Amino acid sequence: DAKTTQPPSMDCAEGRAANLPCNHSTISGNEYVYWYRQIHSQGPQYIIHGLKNNETNEMASLIITEDRKSSTLILPHATLRDTAVYYCIVRPVYNQGGKLIFGQGTELSVKP
Amino acid sequence: DARVTQTPRHKVTEMGQEVTMRCQPILGHNTVFWYRQTMMQGLELLAYFRNRAPLDDSGMPKDRFSAEMPDATLATLKIQPSEPRDSAVYFCASGLPPKLGTHRSTDTQYFGPGTRLTVL
Repeated sequence: DAKTTQPPSMDCAEGRAANLPCNHSTISGNEYVYWYRQIHSQGPQYIIHGLKNNETNEMASLIITEDRKSSTLILPHATLRDTAVYYCIVRPVYNQGGKLIFGQGTELSVKP
Repeated sequence: DARVTQTPRHKVTEMGQEVTMRCQPILGHNTVFWYRQTMMQGLELLAYFRNRAPLDDSGMPKDRFSAEMPDATLATLKIQPSEPRDSAVYFCASGLPPKLGTHRSTDTQYFGPGTRLTVL
């Protein structure tokens, strides 16, 4: 599975957009980008995923660069409850239904 | 609101004792995962099942760990004998693989709240 690189920590002001970057320069054409987050003392929670087009759902937006070597997760209006560790994961299409390989993630702190 | 449940939420035991953790996947989900989280190793997969059959248990120490699915509504993870290095949070997750031939992946794993194990 392709590796990902994320900054270890970020701060964001409440109400502002949080932009979390992820580098996946070795991604291959049949690999999806997934984002999960883990709020303290809880299990990881699925946020969004995409292959090559930008995606949006009720939680976030995912912007994938044209060369697919990096992506950005956007929380449009961050709240204190968005404070969590955010994991960017690359998974092969053929691995659908299989394991997730978590890296160290980005610890996002949303401050009042 | 369907959720994965895990019991117990917390367990403190002494080295050498048997520990059993239980997971109830979301009704209808046919894939169940066991993950372990420690400060040093982060989140790592121990094993997973599909339709109650083990598909991958390469992350699990075979000499002391065992995972089973006695039925579709219960998954268990046992440690015998437990050791202090087993202290961690153990997460169960369930999901459904996407249908073959579908354009978009709909492969989401839903995690339980975890069992925090402390082995003294």
